[in-house]
Amino acid sequence: SQQGEEDPQALSIQEGENATMNCSYKTSINNLQWYRQNSGRGLVHLILIRSNEREKHSGRLRVTLDTSKKSSSLLITASRAADTASYFCASSYSGNTGKLIFGQGTTLQVKP
Amino acid sequence: NAGVMQNPRHLVRRRGQEARLRCSPMKGHSHVYWYRQLPEEGLKFMVYLQKENIIDESGMPKERFSAEFPKEGPSILRIQQVVRGDSAAYFCASSTGAAGTGELFFGEGSRLTVL
Repeated sequence: SQQGEEDPQALSIQEGENATMNCSYKTSINNLQWYRQNSGRGLVHLILIRSNEREKHSGRLRVTLDTSKKSSSLLITASRAADTASYFCASSYSGNTGKLIFGQGTTLQVKP
Repeated sequence: NAGVMQNPRHLVRRRGQEARLRCSPMKGHSHVYWYRQLPEEGLKFMVYLQKENIIDESGMPKERFSAEFPKEGPSILRIQQVVRGDSAAYFCASSTGAAGTGELFFGEGSRLTVL
């Protein structure tokens, strides 16, 4: 299976704290993407980082990519209760049809 | 400017019946993907289609499952002779470019319950 791993599986923090989620993948990728899913809803795209990029920012989100370790991290700074959701990384593998393979996700709870 | 539309949102079937799930991609999107999600789990890739063509069906069970994306109309995921293990949320996503070149836009999902 090409499916990657995410950790932690669950994370509980206080509002205002930072949240870091990690993702590992299996083989060479074209890009890696992060998505958010609120309970009972569809997924929403957050950020895409290409294989030749090391870091990307979008508002309070910071994503890093380390291709030598085949890993990525998502940092949410100054978290808010509204950030409570599940977060998934998804990899587009080279030499494949390019379909996205999703990790198991990290469930984040931000307490007010 | 509607997003990806899936229907029905909830579907209840008895074992042995057929389930048909529909997905209308965003306007201008010709690439459609179907994923399955079990409770508390990630999304499992099922099939990737481009208008009238199946590009990758490596995640779809060989039996009872089929998908199509006709020239006109929505994409259809069809599950014949459903079993309890088919109970899950089925998500459709679409994109403008080929898979892996950009972001996917997801629908709200169709939740299938098999009694």
